[in-house]
Amino acid sequence: AQSVTQLGSHVSVSEGALVLLRCNYSSSVPPYLFWYVQYPNQGLQLLLKYTSAATLVKGINGFEAEFKKSETSFHLTKPSAHMSDAAEYFCAVSEGFGNEKLTFGTGTRLTIIP
Amino acid sequence: EAGVTQFPSHSVIEKGQTVTLRCDPISGHDNLYWYRRVMGKEIKFLLHFVKESKQDESGMPNNRFLAERTGGTYSTLKVQPAELEDSGVYFCASNGAGFTDTQYFGPGTRLTVL
Repeated sequence: AQSVTQLGSHVSVSEGALVLLRCNYSSSVPPYLFWYVQYPNQGLQLLLKYTSAATLVKGINGFEAEFKKSETSFHLTKPSAHMSDAAEYFCAVSEGFGNEKLTFGTGTRLTIIP
Repeated sequence: EAGVTQFPSHSVIEKGQTVTLRCDPISGHDNLYWYRRVMGKEIKFLLHFVKESKQDESGMPNNRFLAERTGGTYSTLKVQPAELEDSGVYFCASNGAGFTDTQYFGPGTRLTVL
């Protein structure tokens, strides 16, 4: 069985500060990992995904995440927060072929302080 | 290219009534997924269609939920009879062949059962 833990249901950072959203996963097979973002009144949008290639994954809007097998982590970072980054962020894991369903964490709501 | 669309965007019904949610995937996508987010909790997988066949329906809560995808195009999710605990946001997603292919999400249907 797979699971995802997102530490911190709410995170606030100042505009221009580092954004760090934490995600730890559990999977019985090599995982495929995803970060999605949901802006108000919109659907989920993929930020980035790890599919067993490079461990440092770059996504849209300046976000990146690093897969660390030893720590079972896939934390999301952005060097400098913008006001437009305010949204809810979801980490998800999939076991891949034959079991493509996504298992999500509970989400982290990011607030940007002007 | 049109994204995943869902109808209605909101639905308010009384306990015991029937509601049908519709999802139109991206044209040409064989895989269609339903997920649900109950207030404040994680987004949970409901089921996965490959074309018109149910590949995985392990997340369906009970037999009050019926999903169909006739002809392998759009899908419907019927809840009959609805209960209070069915309230939440129902998301649909689709992707093409390949387990690493991004799942594209619709905006969701917010269901409120009174």
